[in-house]
Amino acid sequence: AQSVSQHNHHVILSEAASLELGCNYSYGGTVNLFWYVQYPGQHLQLLLKYFSGDPLVKGIKGFEAEFIKSKFSFNLRKPSVQWSDTAEYFCAVNAENTGFQKLVFGTGTRLLVSP
Amino acid sequence: DTAVSQTPKYLVTQMGNDKSIKCEQNLGHDTMYWYKQDSKKFLKIMFSYNNKELIINETVPNRFSPKSPDKAHLNLHINSLELGDSAVYFCASSQGQGVGYGYTFGSGTRLTVV
Repeated sequence: AQSVSQHNHHVILSEAASLELGCNYSYGGTVNLFWYVQYPGQHLQLLLKYFSGDPLVKGIKGFEAEFIKSKFSFNLRKPSVQWSDTAEYFCAVNAENTGFQKLVFGTGTRLLVSP
Repeated sequence: DTAVSQTPKYLVTQMGNDKSIKCEQNLGHDTMYWYKQDSKKFLKIMFSYNNKELIINETVPNRFSPKSPDKAHLNLHINSLELGDSAVYFCASSQGQGVGYGYTFGSGTRLTVV
C-alpha cells in the first residue's frame, strides 16, 4: 500500500541539540512533499514544501529538509532546537499516481524539547 | 483576513444527535477537503471537492455528508453521532491539483461526542 512513514514517534531533546526527523514515502513518480507543524492545541502550519528544483529546501523557523529521490525520503532537520519547537511534526505527500488528489500524512512525530 | 475559516471551533454534543461544521475559504481555490485527526493525532482525508464536485470519498460512513454550495464553501453534516466520531476535523483548500500546489488548512473543529 502506498504510505508515508515517520519512524520516530516520540523524540526528546535538550535545547540547542540538533534535530533530524525521518520521513519515507512509498509513492512512485512525481511527488509534492510537505512538512507541517502542530503546536499544542493549535492547527497545522506549513513548515516547508518541496515541489521541484533544489532538493534542499529551507523553511520557516530555521527548519530545512532534504529530498533524496533514490531513498524516497524527505527528512526534516534543524541545527539547534528551542523549547518553543515542542510540537507534533507531520510529513505529507501528494503524488502523481493518485492524480495529486489527496495529501497523505505520516503518523506524526511528537517532539519535546526540554529547557 | 482568515484564509480558511471553520465554525464552530468547539462542538460538544450527545450521541445520536445531528450536527454540521462549516468551512469557507476566501483564497479563490478550486479544491476543498475535509480531514479527520483522531485521538492519536493521525490525519486522514475524508472528502475532496473540486468546483462543487465530489472527487474523493475515502470510505467514510454515509452518516457523514459533505455539501458544497459553491466552490468557496464545503460543509460537513454528520447524522446520528457516535462516540468514535470524536476528533478534530480540519478543512483545507488548494488552488489546484498537480505539481506545485500547496494546501491551506483551517484551524480545526474539535468535536466531542458524549
